[in-house]
This record gives sequence, structure tokens and C-alpha cells, in this order.
Amino acid sequence: EAGVAQSPRYKIIEKRQSVAFWCNPISGHATLYWYQQILGQGPKLLIQFQNNGVVDDSQLPKDRFSAERLKGVDSTLKIQPAKLEDSAVYLCASSRTGTSLNEQFFGPGTRLTVL
Amino acid sequence: DAKTTQPNSMESNEEEPVHLPCNHSTISGTDYIHWYRQLPSQGPEYVIHGLTSNVNNRMASLAIAEDRKSSTLILHRATLRDAAVYYCILRDVGSGGGADGLTFGKGTHLIIQP
Repeated sequence: EAGVAQSPRYKIIEKRQSVAFWCNPISGHATLYWYQQILGQGPKLLIQFQNNGVVDDSQLPKDRFSAERLKGVDSTLKIQPAKLEDSAVYLCASSRTGTSLNEQFFGPGTRLTVL
Repeated sequence: DAKTTQPNSMESNEEEPVHLPCNHSTISGTDYIHWYRQLPSQGPEYVIHGLTSNVNNRMASLAIAEDRKSSTLILHRATLRDAAVYYCILRDVGSGGGADGLTFGKGTHLIIQP
């Protein structure tokens, strides 16, 4: 089966600009996650969707980050305006159902550089 | 989720077994032990998980201490493709609301020498 798709793979912007990332999860996976991975650290969960509803967005900086999954399939993560500290890899993952045992499948990530 | 402690890095030779330790002294009765790994320039991938008994799959084995306060991921015959960051993660089956995002630490950077 096809894996989690993300685009773009790389993005360079200047601070205060806006940027959007796209994720297409594995077909049939109801749960979708966005993680932020800063260089040298492990990924950090930003938001979790179950179908098109938000399950957990407690670590999403809501003043500048937003995410949606309108039809319960694809998702977009937006940053507006970007700051230097937003430079990171943004990873999308999906799983069949949102239970603690289910394996999460990760995409290759989008590497964002904010200048 | 409870906290785990792993060495920052480990080095091993190709075709030899590798034992990656993880301490989780505050583990609760409903915490499963999961291992993920992240190859260079890729997203993390699932390796194995267990609760109390030792587990084996095609990728690795997981040995869990009797008191569950520590565990060891075993790669039986490391190859150069196993060079990655390995993350030990506790996942609470009993957590409510469906929120089950993974809590990653810094993991162990495994270096394989040819």
C-alpha cells in the first residue's frame, strides 16, 4: 500500500511570511497527526485528528499555527506568520484508529527553513 | 505519558547483536512499551511493542524486565541499514479521549561500523 505522502519536501521562507504543508494519509486511516521535529530533538505532537475532528491540539501554538482536515482525508498545516524558531521538519503520520496500540505510519516530512 | 531514559549514543559492529537499553522506572500498569526508529532523512517507523512478556518480530526482539522498570531492544545481527535513532516510548492504554500522540525523547543514536 502507498505510504503517507507529504508536500513540499523542502521550503525556505523569510520570517513573517506564511507557509502551508499538505499531507495525504494512508487510505482508510481515520487518525492523522502532525508533529514538529527541531534539529537534534525527537518529534513533538502538534495536533491529532480523528476523521475530521480535533482530538488533541494542546501543543499547537494557536496564535500562528492552524490545521484542518475538512473531508477526513487530506490535511493541511499552516503557519502565519512564521518565526525563526519554526525552522524544523514537519512530520505527518496516520493510523487506522486512535488507540494507544495502533502503529503510526510517518511520512518523509517537510523541512522548513525560516530566514 | 511516563518518562523514559536512553543513552545518547551507542556504537556496534556490523553483523553483531545490539542491545539498546531503556529505563522507565515510573511506568504504570497500563503503559505499553513501544520502540520506533528514525533512519536519516526519514520519518520514524514502528519497530516493536510489548507489555510484560518478551516479544519477537522480523525486525527485532524486546526484552522486558520482570518489574517492568526497564527494557532492552535487541537487534540480532546489525547491518549498516540499522544505523538510526531509536526511540523508547511509553503509551498508556488507559488514557481517555482517544488522544494518543507519541511522546518522543531524544532517543539513542545507533552507529554501525562496517
